Amino acid sequence: KAGVTQTPRYLIKTRGQQVTLSCSPISGHRSVSWYQQTPGQGLQFLFEYFSETQRNKGNFPGRFSGRQFSNSRSEMNVSTLELGDSALYLCASSYRLNTEAFFGQGTRLTVV
Amino acid sequence: EDKVVQSPLSLVVHEGDTVTLNCSYEVTNFRSLLWYKQEKKAPTFLFMLTSSGIEKKSGRLSSILDKKELSSILNITATQTGDSAIYLCAPNTGNQFYFGTGTSLTVIP
Repeated sequence: KAGVTQTPRYLIKTRGQQVTLSCSPISGHRSVSWYQQTPGQGLQFLFEYFSETQRNKGNFPGRFSGRQFSNSRSEMNVSTLELGDSALYLCASSYRLNTEAFFGQGTRLTVV
Repeated sequence: EDKVVQSPLSLVVHEGDTVTLNCSYEVTNFRSLLWYKQEKKAPTFLFMLTSSGIEKKSGRLSSILDKKELSSILNITATQTGDSAIYLCAPNTGNQFYFGTGTSLTVIP
């Protein structure tokens, strides 16, 4: 059974640009969550999608947005990138809400 | 404000030692607590705890939840170099999982 797949694995962007990250969950999983991980802050919750609906949102500015498609794949978009957005972005999928989640390898975003 | 504190922040032990990692939490509407191991990038799932006092065990790893004390511990016996990682706990409120900043464990041969 394939795991959670995130693309791309690495990304370098310039301040002010926008970026889209992709996450394909484990087959059969309908919930996808996104996290930002930085050395000082640990894993910070961005949002969670279930059946194409955003169920929960963390405390991030509106520049961070996401969506989920009918096949459960999810994308995360960050507009007007800032240097502080440099981080590892992890997505996790689970069969249902509020249960154990399985993480992808992450996308390392560097903003210069 | 919801809060998760893990201790110690880091730990260096020798192979064969036993370690105990702590997780204290203050979250509203607590539902469950998860433990993860993060070696390089992707955290890998270890345990999900929902009931107080019931130990979950997997090989040399075990974990238990104390809802009265708002805490959980993760024990690793007979540590091996492959146990070197960051261990994360994450209580769930029904809205999201709140991750602690983790305990960094280094096992020396």
